[in-house]
Amino acid sequence: DSGVTQTPKHLITATGQRVTLRCSPRSGDLSVYWYQQSLDQGLQFLIQYYNGEERAKGNILERFSAQQFPDLHSELNLSSLELGDSALYFCASSLRPGQGSYEQYFGPGTRLTVT
Amino acid sequence: AQSVTQLGSHVSVSEGALVLLRCNYSSSVPPYLFWYVQYPNQGLQLLLKYTTGATLVKGINGFEAEFKKSETSFHLTKPSAHMSDAAEYFCAVSGGTGNQFYFGTGTSLTVIP
Repeated sequence: DSGVTQTPKHLITATGQRVTLRCSPRSGDLSVYWYQQSLDQGLQFLIQYYNGEERAKGNILERFSAQQFPDLHSELNLSSLELGDSALYFCASSLRPGQGSYEQYFGPGTRLTVT
Repeated sequence: AQSVTQLGSHVSVSEGALVLLRCNYSSSVPPYLFWYVQYPNQGLQLLLKYTTGATLVKGINGFEAEFKKSETSFHLTKPSAHMSDAAEYFCAVSGGTGNQFYFGTGTSLTVIP
């Protein structure tokens, strides 16, 4: 158990809909990362937050957005969903960014299926 | 910019045989390198990491990796494969100020009894 929790575990929704994925980091970790894992794209970095502020952006679509709240939990919002958004979405946390040596701890993931 | 190449998307070894999973990286700054393992329907678990210091790094479950700067490699090895080692293995690199990780495409390890 990494200490990172994600809800829900599974999500099935229709095209065009909007969903919210939730992540709670390990106790004491200030930085949260979101990743998308799909068969054709592999593990792709989406976005990073540190202590409530956006720190880095990766291959995140404009239809997707995220935020980190004062209690450090984070939510990833996916809107206007398409079939191609079906994937595993992972949240990871680390102590803090800046030096690159802090390993990231991954949650169990949310499996999103868009029908 | 950082990137990782994992050679061989599928590797099969016999139980008890040497495991060798290859990872080459590209980095414009001194890299931090990681190996993660993913079991079916689970998240990624850290196996080992290299930041600075000793270039031979030992991790959990008997795995180790050696950082070779001249070859820009960070290959993962285990002397004797066990059935429980069957999983997906990911190499990752980070560097610079953002701690952003760049993952390879993964190597699926099959252990044959």
